[in-house]
Amino acid sequence: AQKITQTQPGMFVQEKEAVTLDCTYDTSDPSYGLFWYKQPSSGEMIFLIYQGSYDQQNATEGRYSLNFQKARKSANLVISASQLGDSAMYFCAMREGRWDSGYALNFGKGTSLLVTP
Amino acid sequence: EAQVTQNPRYLITVTGKKLTVTCSQNMNHEYMSWYRQDPGLGLRQIYYSMNVEVTDKGDVPEGYKVSRKEKRNFPLILESPSPNQTSLYFCASSMVRPDGASGAEAFFGQGTRLTVV
Repeated sequence: AQKITQTQPGMFVQEKEAVTLDCTYDTSDPSYGLFWYKQPSSGEMIFLIYQGSYDQQNATEGRYSLNFQKARKSANLVISASQLGDSAMYFCAMREGRWDSGYALNFGKGTSLLVTP
Repeated sequence: EAQVTQNPRYLITVTGKKLTVTCSQNMNHEYMSWYRQDPGLGLRQIYYSMNVEVTDKGDVPEGYKVSRKEKRNFPLILESPSPNQTSLYFCASSMVRPDGASGAEAFFGQGTRLTVV
């Protein structure tokens, strides 16, 4: 079964507007971590933001914030004030289980974001 | 500068010719792993290592080998490459921390685009 679901294959947003990229996850483990990565056309994977399952507050990093709704098992990425350089593929990922074994990241299939002038 | 370095960035090879993709990190991370990225399939883990001389299979290990003789290096070896191993490969490293603790994010190398003909 898919552990991470990103339902939006592609999104458009106008420059300076905010955009929300959806991510839902599936786990029965009480301990897990949620990540967002950005992959520009050059191919590298850039870490954006992290949310632990026990974190009480939503994570924020500059223009990025993670809307963590634990009961709904969703971890949406919000990008405020979009910039042209935000155009990229965005991946949601989850790590679950014991932190001292496995430690694999399960990735969603990604959302392609295009920021228009 | 903290980084994960993969080499080569691009490689075209022929079926059956052994090759090694190197990965090195300068952050003293315990955990290192290899992923492959294929269109429509996202990123899938090949092998991982929790520390020196400790390696284990990920989701798609067939046709690959790894070694971890030093903490900083984690090479990926394809003994007899086949066309179905044509893919974009990523090495990643991170500290080993309980979920919820800081420093849990994985840092990725620049990627190696491999074509096997």
